This record gives sequence, structure tokens and C-alpha cells, in this order.
Amino acid sequence: QQQVKQSPQSLIVQKGGISIINCAYENTAFDYFPWYQQFPGKGPALLIAIRPDVSEKKEGRFTISFNKSAKQFSLHIMDSQPGDSATYFCAASGGSQGNLIFGKGTKLSVKP
Amino acid sequence: ETGVTQTPRHLVMGMTNKKSLKCEQHLGHNAMYWYKQSAKKPLELMFVYSLEERVENNSVPSRFSPECPNSSHLFLHLHTLQPEDSALYLCASSQERGGQPQHFGDGTRLSIL
Repeated sequence: QQQVKQSPQSLIVQKGGISIINCAYENTAFDYFPWYQQFPGKGPALLIAIRPDVSEKKEGRFTISFNKSAKQFSLHIMDSQPGDSATYFCAASGGSQGNLIFGKGTKLSVKP
Repeated sequence: ETGVTQTPRHLVMGMTNKKSLKCEQHLGHNAMYWYKQSAKKPLELMFVYSLEERVENNSVPSRFSPECPNSSHLFLHLHTLQPEDSALYLCASSQERGGQPQHFGDGTRLSIL
């Protein structure tokens, strides 16, 4: 119940295309859903996050879509660029301890 | 300096060595975390400190020994490690325990010979 399932494991997109990464969770106590971006040799950096009181959040080319009833959320990267090539992790947290539970990550490659 | 700084960035050690990883945060946060990152696995939370007190130990073997002398510094002391302990060790901090977002350092890449 504490797992966050992320797919796909890897993704190749052409420059200008849309990248979509999906995550699913079971624990209904989760109330914070961030996406982290990690470049090689760097630590994860918060990209965008959402709370379950909204169904969508957009920041520039990055959008989180959240479906509370299905317990799923996804990251959409519009107009994908080679500089977006990185590993993306979804996560969820909630409850008294508030620990972040991470997905396994998606390695995104954007081809020029 | 800003953010979360980890040293060393790379460490190679034998199974009988003793070494320490260091983390320093310049964000004024009260909670600090150690994570283990292995290929194709989710980040694994190892330890949580809140106001210098260890509040969580996620069944981590005793060969990993954390220390938090103050709210800005966190150490991970290593001894008698196993080859499966080779991984990227990440430190993070947040305003308070369970607070979001967490800010991560760039990690220490540990290789056990």
C-alpha cells in the first residue's frame, strides 16, 4: 500500500513532442504528489508538485494531471527539448510522518 | 553557499575500511534525511533526523551509523560494508519532519571493493 508505481521505465521522444509519464498509488492518506528531475551526477530536484484538491497544475511546459478517484497522476512535458533528457521520479507523501515514497523513475531521452 | 552540500562526491573503499559521508545544509531547515539510490529501484529512505534527534531508522543494517551534531550537519559513518552497499547516497533536508519540499544534495557515489 506504500508503493508508488511508475511507468514507463524509459521513454524516447522527438524534439517538440509530448512526454507523458504515469504514476499510480494505493494509499489514500497521500496528500502531496511531487515530481523530481534528476540529471546525471546530480541529486533529484523538485520540478512540480500537486495536492489532491486540484486536478491539474501547470508550470511552463510541465503539467501534472491528477485523478483522485483512479489514484493516478501523470507528468506531461510539452514541446520536449533535448535539455529535458533526465530521469524523472514521481513521489507521494502524507500521513503523520510525511515520508516521501518514490517511484522507480523514468529515463527520458529527447532526440533532436 | 546555498542548498545541500555533500562530500565526498565519490568514495571507493574496501569492505574492512571505515569512512564517513558528510552533508551540510544552508537552508535553515530542521529535518535531514539519508536516502540510498540504487539502479532501477526507488529511492530508499534510511534515516530521518528532526532537530538533531533521530526519529526514524528504516531497518538499516548497523554497519551504517548516522550522526547529526546540529541541525545543519549530518554524517553517515560506514564500516564493514558489503558489495551490495555500492550505491548513490543522497542527503536531503526540509523545513520540518515531513515538510515539503525536500531539497536534495548531489550525493556521494560509493563503491565497495
